[in-house]
Parts: sequence; structure tokens; C-alpha cells
Amino acid sequence: SSELTQDPAVSVALGQTVRITCQGDSLRSYYASWYQQKPGQAPILVIYGKNNRPSGIPDRFSGSSSGNTASLTITGAQAEDEADYYCNSRDSSGNYVFGTGTKVTVL
Amino acid sequence: QVQLVQSGSELRKPGASVKVSCKASGYTFTNYGMNWVRQAPGQGLEWMGWINTNTGNPTYAQGFTGRFVFSLDTSVSTAYLQISSLKAEDTAVYYCARRRSVAGTGDYFDPWGQGTPVTVSS
Repeated sequence: SSELTQDPAVSVALGQTVRITCQGDSLRSYYASWYQQKPGQAPILVIYGKNNRPSGIPDRFSGSSSGNTASLTITGAQAEDEADYYCNSRDSSGNYVFGTGTKVTVL
Repeated sequence: QVQLVQSGSELRKPGASVKVSCKASGYTFTNYGMNWVRQAPGQGLEWMGWINTNTGNPTYAQGFTGRFVFSLDTSVSTAYLQISSLKAEDTAVYYCARRRSVAGTGDYFDPWGQGTPVTVSS
């Protein structure tokens, strides 16, 4: 199975922009989806497909992809965006794999 | 609204078994695959596999064969995860998540259950 690699941690000043990346060979063939997880809570979907947000997700969240890298961008980060973020995609066998996760700290 | 409600936390001794349930509501249960995800304490998310809710056919990820069994009771829109011969390293939160597959947007998991903590300790 393939792997999806994320930076372990990033920080962003309140109101500034942060980009979280997810690297893996399978991303050349499949879209990534992104999940936000706050402490003690279940993950929630924030971005799927090319750049789609589920109902209720603020438009400061956006997604993009190039080559083997998918990105989640938070434009104008808020305190409530502090969380762990995971990407997910299919692998070469048709199964699914999560990224290693990125902890986002809002300063 | 669409939601998944899981059974409550479990405490088991090593060698015992546990069965976690995931009850779906707000949609046609057999129209979407049900996935299971493990999160060990302080660790990331790990995809365990999924079950086709239409056929009952399970698919297990590497590392989740043998002791892990996915099953269904479609009459009550519920999926189950059973783990046998429990080990301390099975201590984790187990999530169910509905998978959607939409042409042109790929696959994604939404919604998720609230999670079921399973603790294995003597």
C-alpha cells in the first residue's frame, strides 16, 4: 500500500494563511479528501474532490492538487481551526490510506 | 439528518472479544459502503477496511485480517466490528464512517460515528 506524508506540525498567526500538504504517489491518480479532528472528537470532512466543501464548512478552507501533492489551505485562520488535519486517498490496490496527520496551532 | 451512532466504551481483558455497533439513520443504509477506522492513543487515523452494505462483502486492510470481522444487520441499519483474541495493542478508539463515491469528486468519508473507545487491560 502507498503512503501519504504530511508535515507533523505547522503554526499560523491568527488571521493569516496556512497551507497543509499531503504527498504520495497515489495522488497522481486519485483526489484527496481532508478531515479535521479536534481533541476528543471524531474527524469531520472539510474538503473533498478537486475543491469541494461540505455544507457548514467555512469558505476559508480550500483544496488544491498538483502532481503527487494535495494541499489544504486555511485563508484567515481562526482560533477554532486549531486541530489535527488528515488527508485520505485511495492507494494502488484500491484500498484507502490516511496521511500521517498535521497538527495546526493558531498563535 | 444523516448520522452514525456507535455503541459505548468497552473494557476487556486480553484474550476476550468485543463487538462494536454503528447504527445509521437518515439515509438508505444499503446505498453506501461502511468503513472502519482505528485511532490508537495519541496516534493518527488508520483505515481498517470496509463492508459493502448491499452484498455484505467485507474488505480488510493489511494488518486487520484474522481477528477482525465486519458484519451487518440491514434490518436495523447497523454495521458491526468484532475483534477477537484482544491484545493490549488493540486499545484504541474505533470509528465507523460512511463512504461516498461520486463521479468526478472521488471518494470521501462522511459522516463519522462518534467513536467507541476500547480498552484492553488485565
